Amino acid sequence: EIVLTQSPATLSLSPGERATLSCRASQTVNIYLAWYQQKPGQAPRLLIYDASKRASGIPARFSGSGSGTDFTLTISSLEPEDFAVYYCQQRANWPPVTFGGGTKVEIK
Amino acid sequence: EVQLLESGGGLEQPGGSLRLSCAASGFTFNTYAMAWVRQPPGKGLEWVSSISGSGDRTSYGDSVKGRFTISRDNSRNTVSLQMNSLRAEDTAVYYCAKDFQSLVTAILDFWGQGTLVTVSS
Repeated sequence: EIVLTQSPATLSLSPGERATLSCRASQTVNIYLAWYQQKPGQAPRLLIYDASKRASGIPARFSGSGSGTDFTLTISSLEPEDFAVYYCQQRANWPPVTFGGGTKVEIK
Repeated sequence: EVQLLESGGGLEQPGGSLRLSCAASGFTFNTYAMAWVRQPPGKGLEWVSSISGSGDRTSYGDSVKGRFTISRDNSRNTVSLQMNSLRAEDTAVYYCAKDFQSLVTAILDFWGQGTLVTVSS
């Protein structure tokens, strides 16, 4: 099973700042990594798939990069609605599909 | 507009059974794979199971293999999760999610709001 490790666990930033979230895989996942956003009491929402492709309707301030074992989700300028928990997920070697433990982006 | 509405959650005793259902609308159901993902209270996401658009291919996470069964009824636009031999660690919100394609890709582009399953005596 591929283990995904997300860092940091919590990121404290102010609106307008740049957020950089990391996801590291225990073995290569090629580009088969996705990012999801989850707000309290809501279902996850797909942001990025295949490392860098934005899902439909996702603002351009969200971008993904990386391949192999190291991936980054960048939010170029945080909007108030972006404060949430972010999960990475791999589909390179499944079953099982696995998720990272999450990074909480909170208001500083 | 894509809509996924889960039902069937509730309180069940250890060893018991529950059947979750997900009613889908807003897309051509039989051309997309579907999945169930769960989230224990206050914790992260765990993939449970996926099924192809035609229903002929299924896969399961190790923690539920042999106890849970995913199925779909393309005539009624529903996907179900039969959960047997329930354990306390199955307690979670269960989300139904739509896959990107007919074959399972595990890119989950739409999610329902979830249904809470609590396993406790």
